[in-house]
Amino acid sequence: DTEVTQTPKHLVMGMTNKKSLKCEQHMGHRAMYWYKQKAKKPPELMFVYSYEKLSINESVPSRFSPECPNSSLLNLHLHALQPEDSALYLCASSQEGLSVEQYFGPGTRLTVT
Amino acid sequence: GESVGLHLPTLSVQEGDNSIINCAYSNSASDYFIWYKQESGKGPQFIIDIRSNMDKRQGQRVTVLLNKTVKHLSLQIAATQPGDSAVYFCALRGAGRRALTFGSGTRLQVQP
Repeated sequence: DTEVTQTPKHLVMGMTNKKSLKCEQHMGHRAMYWYKQKAKKPPELMFVYSYEKLSINESVPSRFSPECPNSSLLNLHLHALQPEDSALYLCASSQEGLSVEQYFGPGTRLTVT
Repeated sequence: GESVGLHLPTLSVQEGDNSIINCAYSNSASDYFIWYKQESGKGPQFIIDIRSNMDKRQGQRVTVLLNKTVKHLSLQIAATQPGDSAVYFCALRGAGRRALTFGSGTRLQVQP
């Protein structure tokens, strides 16, 4: 299984809502990542987990809260988002932390209204 | 800081022709240079990487060239096929195993 799955595929939420994005991989990878991608732009790193511990937070606002319950799962909890947070949120995994070969999921398309 | 740029936002080629996608970078301390492909509705997919101490690496139908003197990276795709239509991102990893920085992307359109 060389697939990273993400749910939901699409999410529309209001600025006062709380929602979560989920990511799962069963490749035995020990590093997992959250990226944000705006339309026609490259992915921008948000968080890196290595061996279930947060190793990088790229100065992401606290309204985004990552969680890594185990080595196969990665969540991104969302609260009080702004319309400018609307984007494609990509999850990725790799065998080791900050490996050049990362496996990306299809992303969750988030719209904040 | 690191910056990665691409020369052409869109590249249109005929099916069967060779494609060359270029990328300029500024951080000479990078240890790896990578190409990713992103098809519509999908996440990026790793294509090939090259270490900073190499100048050429070949894969299946793809070749990556690295010119550290002018800080330039290119991806050559041989016999381009319709399935190669996608956005291609170059990326670099800063020395010391740091996070990847992605370039702005080139859209490759393959005309039948």
